[in-house]
Amino acid sequence: AQKVTQAQTEISVVEKEDVTLDCVYETRDTTYYLFWYKQPPSGELVFLIRRNSFDEQNEISGRYSWNFQKSTSSFNFTITASQVVDSAVYFCALSEAETSGSRLTFGEGTQLTVNP
Amino acid sequence: DAGVIQSPRHEVTEMGQEVTLRCKPISGHNSLFWYRQTMMRGLELLIYFNNNVPIDDSGMPEDRFSAKMPNASFSTLKIQPSEPRDSAVYFCASSSPGQPFGDEQFFGPGTRLTVL
Repeated sequence: AQKVTQAQTEISVVEKEDVTLDCVYETRDTTYYLFWYKQPPSGELVFLIRRNSFDEQNEISGRYSWNFQKSTSSFNFTITASQVVDSAVYFCALSEAETSGSRLTFGEGTQLTVNP
Repeated sequence: DAGVIQSPRHEVTEMGQEVTLRCKPISGHNSLFWYRQTMMRGLELLIYFNNNVPIDDSGMPEDRFSAKMPNASFSTLKIQPSEPRDSAVYFCASSSPGQPFGDEQFFGPGTRLTVL
């Protein structure tokens, strides 16, 4: 079974629109971490956020915000007032304490295109 | 501070040849990870080391792949003999010893391998 599901393969928006990237995860561990990484066209992977399973507080960082809901096993990522520079592939990832230790299990990624 | 350094950035080789990918983690980091990214399989962990010791190599595809970490500042991933299906981007990542798991992983720029 897929442990991290990013159902949206591709999203295309116009600049200044808000966009939400969905992430649903599956784990039986009680202790785990969730991550979002950004992969711009240049190819490198850039860390955006980490959230542990005991902290459901939502987080905002500039135009980025994250909504973590254990009840629905979701960790969604919203970009407010999107910009062309936000165009990238975004990956959600899971690290499980008991099952996989430090291993990151990635979702398939969502290709976001922001058009001017 | 320098990030994770990988070399070469691009490698083109012919089937059957030996390929060696190199990685220098961030100084002070004690966990090192090798990932492979392909269109078909996405991002997948091949192997990771903690304090230079391989902890989980369950992602290594087959005996043609081997990884070493002779010291805290250097790791290699070797493919011998290489095959066209090994064509992919190989990422190295490192993380700090702050927690047993769940730390942010810092990724290198990747090595794009093409096996003809």
